[in-house]
Amino acid sequence: QMQLQESGPGLVKPSGTLSLTCAVSGDSISSSKWWSWVRQPPGKGLEWIGEIYHSGSTNYNPSLKSRVTMAVDKSKNQFSLKLSSVTAADTAVYYCATGYFDSSGYYLFHYWGQGTLVTVSS
Amino acid sequence: EIVLTQSPGTLSLSPGERATLSCRASQSVSSTYFAWYQQKPGQAPRLLIYGASRRATGIPDRFSGSGSGTDFTLTISRLEPEDFAVYYCQQYGSSPPLTFGGGTKVEIK
Repeated sequence: QMQLQESGPGLVKPSGTLSLTCAVSGDSISSSKWWSWVRQPPGKGLEWIGEIYHSGSTNYNPSLKSRVTMAVDKSKNQFSLKLSSVTAADTAVYYCATGYFDSSGYYLFHYWGQGTLVTVSS
Repeated sequence: EIVLTQSPGTLSLSPGERATLSCRASQSVSSTYFAWYQQKPGQAPRLLIYGASRRATGIPDRFSGSGSGTDFTLTISRLEPEDFAVYYCQQYGSSPPLTFGGGTKVEIK
């Protein structure tokens, strides 16, 4: 059973860079899956940030694209998120998750980390 | 960008009642890449339905999904106490690749 675990600072200063890592266990980061980040501001809905494939190919949410960088570390079986120039509006629970196509071609966004709260404040 | 609009925002029902949640897309979405999630406070979302109508592993058969094109529905046939939560629809495939609806809260009446 795959498990995802987010880690990183819980407090980031305004104008700084938010950095998170998602450790993958139970599967290889090089498997045929897209590795995603999703965030949820307190009391609000879900916002997809972007995804990365083990090859390094990425897709980002256009609303965040100019500030987002994702990377894969195959040696550590993990992937990461960097979000620059943060403001209070970036305060949220950040989830890592994975999406894949099953043998019938259906897309499943099935496995999620438990989430980590990142607060942007001075 | 495909926008998913969920309605109603809040649904107030009693245990045992039927819940019908709607998700409308701003343009046609592939059913193959359409899903529903349940989220309880303090927890990550849980996949309920994928492919618009296929139940994920371990999901009770009181949950069912239907629809195609721009209109999709999640039905909970008889609400159990553990079903009171927030539900999100999601599509994958069009720019941006993945979007979520704004959510429907199912609360106890």
